[in-house]
Amino acid sequence: GDSVTQMEGPVTLSEEAFLTINCTYTATGYPSLFWYVQYPGEGLQLLLKATKADDKGSNKGFEATYRKETTSFHLEKGSVQVSDSAVYFCALTPTGNQFYFGTGTSLTVIP
Amino acid sequence: KAGVTQTPRYLIKTRGQQVTLSCSPISGHRSVSWYQQTPGQGLQFLFEYFSETQRNKGNFPGRFSGRQFSNSRSEMNVSTLELGDSALYLCASSLGQLDGYTFGSGTRLTVV
Repeated sequence: GDSVTQMEGPVTLSEEAFLTINCTYTATGYPSLFWYVQYPGEGLQLLLKATKADDKGSNKGFEATYRKETTSFHLEKGSVQVSDSAVYFCALTPTGNQFYFGTGTSLTVIP
Repeated sequence: KAGVTQTPRYLIKTRGQQVTLSCSPISGHRSVSWYQQTPGQGLQFLFEYFSETQRNKGNFPGRFSGRQFSNSRSEMNVSTLELGDSALYLCASSLGQLDGYTFGSGTRLTVV
């Protein structure tokens, strides 16, 4: 069945460090891929998305490229800030009717 | 525009009781989905409604049910509560297709 595997955390980085959170997926067909972010005490917020192979989603300095050949959608940011501290979820949907989420990766950025 | 609104934010119930959670989606969004979030299991899909019809259902027991009204507002109900039902319940709405969800802040249910 469809599923998402993302790197386990927690991840701790110093401010201005480079961030990569790995995400790989298993799906039939051509799913759409998403990254969501969850701040403490809040629901999930859509960070970026890509709907077809080789698409690059980007938002707030974060980027992820839909790689069908490696079934991956790794999240990257060139210079993290303390305000980026949150839990990040990779997700896919094959049809738009149901989403499959990874287990989440907790990121802490220290000054 | 207003986001997805979930009420109540916090709830404490006793084992064996039942509970109803409410979700008001973004205006114009006809698809509403519910997820259970726990530290051990992560985000688990409960069900999805579109135009008052349940389109998808996750792997939860029949104690978990939901419905959607003509104005797209949705409720989920859990009967005969168990300690393991303690979780953050998240509602999400969407325009449908592949737009992605907009989530509410969730209802934190504690069963004692």
